[in-house]
Amino acid sequence: GDSVTQMEGPVTLSEEAFLTINCTYTATGYPSLFWYVQYPGEGLQLLLKATKADDKGSNKGFEATYRKETTSFHLEKGSVQVSDSAVYFCALTYSYNTDKLIFGTGTRLQVFP
Amino acid sequence: ETGVTQSPTHLIKTRGQQVTLRCSSQSGHNTVSWYQQALGQGPQFIFQYYREEENGRGNFPPRFSGLQFPNYSSELNVNALELDDSALYLCASSPYPTENYGYTFGSGTRLTVV
Repeated sequence: GDSVTQMEGPVTLSEEAFLTINCTYTATGYPSLFWYVQYPGEGLQLLLKATKADDKGSNKGFEATYRKETTSFHLEKGSVQVSDSAVYFCALTYSYNTDKLIFGTGTRLQVFP
Repeated sequence: ETGVTQSPTHLIKTRGQQVTLRCSSQSGHNTVSWYQQALGQGPQFIFQYYREEENGRGNFPPRFSGLQFPNYSSELNVNALELDDSALYLCASSPYPTENYGYTFGSGTRLTVV
């Protein structure tokens, strides 16, 4: 079945370091891909999305490129801040499958000053 | 935009009881989904409603049921609560089709079953 695999956390970085959080997926079709972020005690916020191969989603300095050949959607940021500390979820969906989101298990990011 | 609002934020129930969780969708969003997020896990899809009809269901038993109202607000009902139902329940709304827009999530209801 369809699934999303994320790198295990926590990822611990110093402020201004480069961030990569790996995400790969298994899907029978061509899904849309998303990154969501969850701050402590809160629900999920959509961070960025890409709806077809080679699309690049970007928001707040974060980027991810939809790579069909490697079935990946890795999240990157050039310079992280303490305020980026949160749990990041990679997810996929497609409309012929009820639009349900299939999430990875999440990756916790901790950024220290 | 008012976002997605869920109530209550926390509640504690006893095993065997019934619970109703409520969700007010973001204005203009006609699709609503409910997710269960166990501690340390990613959210799991419970079901989705589109224009007041159930439009898909995840791997949850029938004691999980829902409603969507004409104003697109929604309820999640869980009967015969079990200890494993303790989780954060997230409501999410979207315009249709979701794959083009992504969901807007509420802050969730933390349910504890004792």
